[in-house]
Amino acid sequence: DTGVSQNPRHKITKRGQNVTFRCDPISEHNRLYWYRQTLGQGPEFLTYFQNEAQLEKSRLLSDRFSAERPKGSFSTLEIQRTEQGDSAMYLCASSLKTGTGGYEQYFGPGTRLTVT
Amino acid sequence: AQSVTQLGSHVSVSEGALVLLRCNYSSSVPPYLFWYVQYPNQGLQLLLKYTSAATLVKGINGFEAEFKKSETSFHLTKPSAHMSDAAEYFCAVSPAQGGGNKLTFGTGTQLKVEL
Repeated sequence: DTGVSQNPRHKITKRGQNVTFRCDPISEHNRLYWYRQTLGQGPEFLTYFQNEAQLEKSRLLSDRFSAERPKGSFSTLEIQRTEQGDSAMYLCASSLKTGTGGYEQYFGPGTRLTVT
Repeated sequence: AQSVTQLGSHVSVSEGALVLLRCNYSSSVPPYLFWYVQYPNQGLQLLLKYTSAATLVKGINGFEAEFKKSETSFHLTKPSAHMSDAAEYFCAVSPAQGGGNKLTFGTGTQLKVEL
């Protein structure tokens, strides 16, 4: 059973460039979440999908951010026109939501973004 | 709205000593509560969860936590610290119903274990 994987693990980009991150959840998991973690803080919720539907977006997710989960499998998070304030660790998590359980989320190793 | 407060951003214990990491939550609806551990440059690993069954929850690596509704607390304990327990620990809350079970995290407690 492979866990959640994220690529790339590290990304350095210049301000104004676009970046895209990928998350592959645990294969049978129907929910996928994106969080952002800045230095010295806990992760903050960005958005989540149930299958291919994006059901909620945080106010932290500005218009420059977009996430997709085509076919309910992997997900991508794109940041357009990156700013230095976007520098953070971007974490992906997945869970299997059933009628009676499946509340625990399993996290990937994260993608660390540095905007110079 | 939900929130989590972790008292003590840094905790230091001697190897073999009791570990106590504090977490208090605020929630307008019945919560589910979680403890995660994060090692440097890695993602989060689930230690244990409370989902309205037993109030004393046992997790991996000898950790346990007790849900106390009257104190709105969910403190994490381990009877005897090991060097390998040095890491950052996050308490998190999610709504038991609705809200996509999204997690709201505390700011974390860095645990240092000394010889």
